[in-house]
Amino acid sequence: DAGVTQSPTHLIKTRGQHVTLRCSPISGHKSVSWYQQVLGQGPQFIFQYYEKEERGRGNFPDRFSARQFPNYSSELNVNALLLGDSALYLCASSLAGVGYGYTFGSGTRLTVV
Amino acid sequence: AQRVTQPEKLLSVFKGAPVELKCNYSYSGSPELFWYVQYSRQRLQLLLRHISRESIKGFTADLNKGETSFHLKKPFAQEEDSAMYYCALSGNTGFQKLVFGTGTRLLVSP
Repeated sequence: DAGVTQSPTHLIKTRGQHVTLRCSPISGHKSVSWYQQVLGQGPQFIFQYYEKEERGRGNFPDRFSARQFPNYSSELNVNALLLGDSALYLCASSLAGVGYGYTFGSGTRLTVV
Repeated sequence: AQRVTQPEKLLSVFKGAPVELKCNYSYSGSPELFWYVQYSRQRLQLLLRHISRESIKGFTADLNKGETSFHLKKPFAQEEDSAMYYCALSGNTGFQKLVFGTGTRLLVSP
């Protein structure tokens, strides 16, 4: 089993640009969640999707959006990047809801300059 | 409000010493509590959850609803326990986000 895979692993963008991060869940997992981890802090919830529907949204601006595809993979999009968006973005997959536990990917390190 | 507090940024102990990583939480209702661990250059992984009531790698954690705590304990620390530890909570039904604490770095010296 490949586990949760995220791409790219590292990314450098300029302020104002747009970025797309990708996540492939564990085979059979239908739920994908996104978290932002700023240096020195714990991960913060951004979105959760299940069966292509948004099931939860954290306290992030509308510049952040996501979607889930029929194969359960997911994309996180961030528009009009700010310096403060620099962080490790983590994807977690689960069979369904919270009772099934979450498995995290290694993350995408985004640096905004 | 849902909140997880880990008061110690760094906990440094010697090999063989007991370890207690503190976690306090705030949640209206019955939460699920978790401990996640991140070893150097590895991904975040689940260590244990309170509903399992199991011991993983010698670690245990008991949910104390009166004190709203979920401290992680190990009687004899090993060097390989050195890692970043995060306490997290979620609701216990449906689709719930994980709320993480800021983490405690455990350093076990020989």
